[in-house]
Amino acid sequence: DAGVIQSPRHEVTEMGQEVTLRCKPISGHDYLFWYRQTMMRGLELLIYFNNNVPIDDSGMPEDRFSAKMPNASFSTLKIQPSEPRDSAVYFCASSLRQGKASYEQYFGPGTRLTVT
Amino acid sequence: DQQVKQNSPSLSVQEGRISILNCDYTNSMFDYFLWYKKYPAEGPTFLISISSIKDKNEDGRFTVFLNKSAKHLSLHIVPSQPGDSAVYFCAASEGTGNQFYFGTGTSLTVIP
Repeated sequence: DAGVIQSPRHEVTEMGQEVTLRCKPISGHDYLFWYRQTMMRGLELLIYFNNNVPIDDSGMPEDRFSAKMPNASFSTLKIQPSEPRDSAVYFCASSLRQGKASYEQYFGPGTRLTVT
Repeated sequence: DQQVKQNSPSLSVQEGRISILNCDYTNSMFDYFLWYKKYPAEGPTFLISISSIKDKNEDGRFTVFLNKSAKHLSLHIVPSQPGDSAVYFCAASEGTGNQFYFGTGTSLTVIP
């Protein structure tokens, strides 16, 4: 399997612009997670989906952030409008939940976002 | 507020010696813990886990210890190798939930 695929790997944009990050989870996985990594807070969970349905979006920092999962093989995280403080590395992860033995999450390579 | 804390941002160890990475948590309901390893420009990869019913789990050179009364876990790497140089994150979850709380990471450098 190719693993979790994220695009783009790097994104540089100007403040106020819309940014869309994309994720393709591992085929067959039923959970998808979006994280943001910063030096101060480490890996923060933004939102996660189960079978394409958003379960918990309490980590989404503001209304400027939105996430969708239109089907089992694709998800987007959108920031509109973007601000410099959104600069971070955004990770997508997926997992297959079959009891406690499968808590492992598989991470994509991340998207490094820079907002100037 | 950070529910999982890694208070050492960095650690340097000589090759062949033991590396000990520490992690503290505040939520006594956490009952499942994982360690992830992250190389630059890559996503974190799963390393080892432990359930709260155990106090130790071993996998090759990696051992995780859990002290529930102290709300503390540690990752021991013996012997340390240069390829172990990476950022290590600990994570915790509660009950049957799927949400993990991650620490801020510890950057380990193993000096040849």
